[in-house]
Amino acid sequence: EVQLLQSGGGLVQPGESLRLSCTASGFTFSLYSMSWVRQIPGKGLEWVALISASDHSTYYADFLEGRFTISRDNSRDTLYLQINSLRAEDTATYYCVKGTPTLDMVFASWGLGTPVAVSA
Amino acid sequence: ETVLTQSPVTLSVSPGERATLSCRASQSVSSHLAWYQHKPGQAPRLLIYDSSTRATGISHRFSGSGSGTDFTLTISSLQSEDFAVYYCQQYNQWPPSTFGQGTRVEIK
Repeated sequence: EVQLLQSGGGLVQPGESLRLSCTASGFTFSLYSMSWVRQIPGKGLEWVALISASDHSTYYADFLEGRFTISRDNSRDTLYLQINSLRAEDTATYYCVKGTPTLDMVFASWGLGTPVAVSA
Repeated sequence: ETVLTQSPVTLSVSPGERATLSCRASQSVSSHLAWYQHKPGQAPRLLIYDSSTRATGISHRFSGSGSGTDFTLTISSLQSEDFAVYYCQQYNQWPPSTFGQGTRVEIK
């Protein structure tokens, strides 16, 4: 059974940094592209970033303005999202998601989400 | 960026009835469209990909159709567990992949 165990969220002040983690099990992590998707309170789903399986290429949503970094450690079966200079508008639930074997951007498995709240 | 517009925003349906949800793309996405179900406090669940292919374990009550710019998710004979928010997502041209704003299916 695929499991994506997320950690690292919480309440932070504007300007601080945060690293979200997602530890995978139940599949060969190194073979799958992984993404982060977020949901701002009261809003819909929003794709944030993707890292490929093959060469660890990274792709980001335009609105991130360079403050987010997605990375992976295949030796630890873990996906990360580093968020710097946090702003109130980054407040959201962040989901770790797994692509399918042939479609990187189709999200067949989701973590339960980790809430990030940015407030002074 | 491809914008997806879902309609209606809210759909009130009685249990046992059929629900028809629409997703329109601002430009062609071929058949590269998926549908997800999202219930409060839970992770979203993939229902349909490639416009009409059901994901593993998804009930035959759910069916998808369409290509190009117009897509439909049909839920036949709504069950209590089907009341949720449904999102479409395009992955034809990425980055970025984009989602629609969602359709809430509620009990009438």
